[in-house]
Amino acid sequence: DVKVTQSSRYLVKRTGEKVFLECVQDMDHENMFWYRQDPGLGLRLIYFSYDVKMKEKGDIPEGYSVSREKKERFSLILESASTNQTSMYLCASIGGRENEKLFFGSGTQLSVL
Amino acid sequence: GESVGLHLPTLSVQEGDNSIINCAYSNSASDYFIWYKQESGKGPQFIIDIRSNMDKRQGQRVTVLLNKTVKHLSLQIAATQPGDSAVYFCAENKSGKAAGNKLTFGGGTRVLVKP
Repeated sequence: DVKVTQSSRYLVKRTGEKVFLECVQDMDHENMFWYRQDPGLGLRLIYFSYDVKMKEKGDIPEGYSVSREKKERFSLILESASTNQTSMYLCASIGGRENEKLFFGSGTQLSVL
Repeated sequence: GESVGLHLPTLSVQEGDNSIINCAYSNSASDYFIWYKQESGKGPQFIIDIRSNMDKRQGQRVTVLLNKTVKHLSLQIAATQPGDSAVYFCAENKSGKAAGNKLTFGGGTRVLVKP
């Protein structure tokens, strides 16, 4: 089975801090995604990457950046965290024979105080 | 704009009954649809998918129905069990291509199974 691992389950940060959310997948998938999940809004795509060092904006990229230096790792960066970025963040990957099925990590619940 | 949405935010079901979760979509170019289940504290997990050239697809205890005429998608769970309690999301392929990599998700429906 594909495993997508997010480094932190819970994070508490202060307004203005720089925050790194890390995600690693072990199936050599080309495509990786970062979503945020808010009650009643479902999953909204922040950024995605289809190859090392490649990235594309999703639907809500403002206030975020990403890094894909290695194929297995996709990092989400909040340059200056704000309270409206308090949310559940989900990483996902896709590729290979399961080219249309997203495999998700367990999520990181970020609270910005 | 184009969107994927759900009619009911919460569905209470008696254990053993069948559950039906509905989803409306508005992008007529979408040709791939997928259902995910998210249990508390976990990431979404794939349940079943369907392409637009099909009207129905069955899995283990689950059936997805697609009505392209009215742009409606539903997930049916047979003999609902306590382990089916979760939030269910529908999603459509935004690019309209079968091998696309960007999915647009609905807001989710919470299913509560009563003993």
